[in-house]
Amino acid sequence: DTGVSQDPRHKITKRGQNVTFRCDPISEHNRLYWYRQTLGQGPEFLTYFQNEAQLEKSRLLSDRFSAERPKGSFSTLEIQRTEQGDSAMYLCACSRDNQPQHFGDGTRLSIL
Amino acid sequence: KQEVTQIPAALSVPEGENLVLNCSFTDSAIYNLQWFRQDPGKGLTSLLLIQSSQREQTSGRLNASLDKSSGRSTLYIAASQPGDSATYLCAVKNAGNMLTFGGGTRLMVKP
Repeated sequence: DTGVSQDPRHKITKRGQNVTFRCDPISEHNRLYWYRQTLGQGPEFLTYFQNEAQLEKSRLLSDRFSAERPKGSFSTLEIQRTEQGDSAMYLCACSRDNQPQHFGDGTRLSIL
Repeated sequence: KQEVTQIPAALSVPEGENLVLNCSFTDSAIYNLQWFRQDPGKGLTSLLLIQSSQREQTSGRLNASLDKSSGRSTLYIAASQPGDSATYLCAVKNAGNMLTFGGGTRLMVKP
């Protein structure tokens, strides 16, 4: 159990650029979750995968956001045409079935 | 729609004090409730998980209680230490797979 790994830890980009984050979950954890956390707030759910299938998406996930988990292992979250309001910490979590979720250290996105 | 509230938003106490953090939720049909700790710039570390059928869970100096019918949970920290300084987050799980989080309580324990 090497924990949840997220890359990069910090991303700084100009408004309008596209960004992609990666999450490597704990091996054999079939469920993977993405959350977004803004400063001083609790995390908010974005989307959930069971294996490679994306089963739930929050209304927060606008059409500029897309997430994939192509082989049921790692996942990517892409934001197109970034806006100031996208600045946040993006957290990945995983679980084995309905067991407690384990979180990574997140990717902090800063939009200039 | 589930809403989770944590009070107080911030708390500063001298070392050695016992303290209570509060969490309330609007929809009592929960599967479980979880307390997390978050250090600055870091992810979340799970502290305690209480199933809907349970009333409390204990781990070391931490004790979490759950009153599902009233929509409340408390996290009790005994004999607080400077190393306990962090943000404490409460999260509930309803039907579905997502967690709904409160805004957190930022705790500072002064030496």
